Amino acid sequence: NAGVTQTPKFRILKIGQSMTLQCAQDMNHNYMYWYRQDPGMGLKLIYYSVGAGITDKGEVPNGYNVSRSTTEDFPLRLELAAPSQTSVYFCASSYSGTGSEKLFFGSGTQLSVL
Amino acid sequence: KNQVEQSPQSLIILEGKNCTLQCNYTVSPFSNLRWYKQDTGRGPVSLTIMTFSENTKSNGRYTATLDADTKQSSLHITASQLSDSASYICVVSEGGSYIPTFGRGTSLIVHP
Repeated sequence: NAGVTQTPKFRILKIGQSMTLQCAQDMNHNYMYWYRQDPGMGLKLIYYSVGAGITDKGEVPNGYNVSRSTTEDFPLRLELAAPSQTSVYFCASSYSGTGSEKLFFGSGTQLSVL
Repeated sequence: KNQVEQSPQSLIILEGKNCTLQCNYTVSPFSNLRWYKQDTGRGPVSLTIMTFSENTKSNGRYTATLDADTKQSSLHITASQLSDSASYICVVSEGGSYIPTFGRGTSLIVHP
């Protein structure tokens, strides 16, 4: 099993550009999450999904969109990139989302918006 | 609002020494608490989980404690190694919620 795979690892965007961060898991997990991590700060939840076709906003959803057409994939879309979106983005998954299940994280995407 | 506070923010120790990291939380109702280790440039990896009925749990040189009455947890690292240099994140889950609350982490640096 590859676990949770994120692409790309690094990306530089210009203000106003758009991009999609890819996330895929091969563990048949139902729950998937997108977090951003700023220096010295805890992980902030952007969006999450409890299954294919079902998504919901987290703590900091503005400027982002997600979709979940399959169990495996959970892409994060940035529209009109802004410098405030410079961060490290982590995708995570778990089987049941009950809280007792540990989260499996990808290795992250470092994004700079200039 | 659920909160998880970790201390210290950063810690530098010499290889072979012990250290203890602290986590205080206000999450209610409490479900469980996890400690994650995050190496530089990597995603967090779970070290251990503590449930309401557990006071102490060990995972090799890592020992976690939980006091559910005072809502405090600690992570003790024994005989530190250079590979222990990482950020340690306390994550608390609320009963019935899909969304755990993350602490900001403690950055540990182990010097030779």
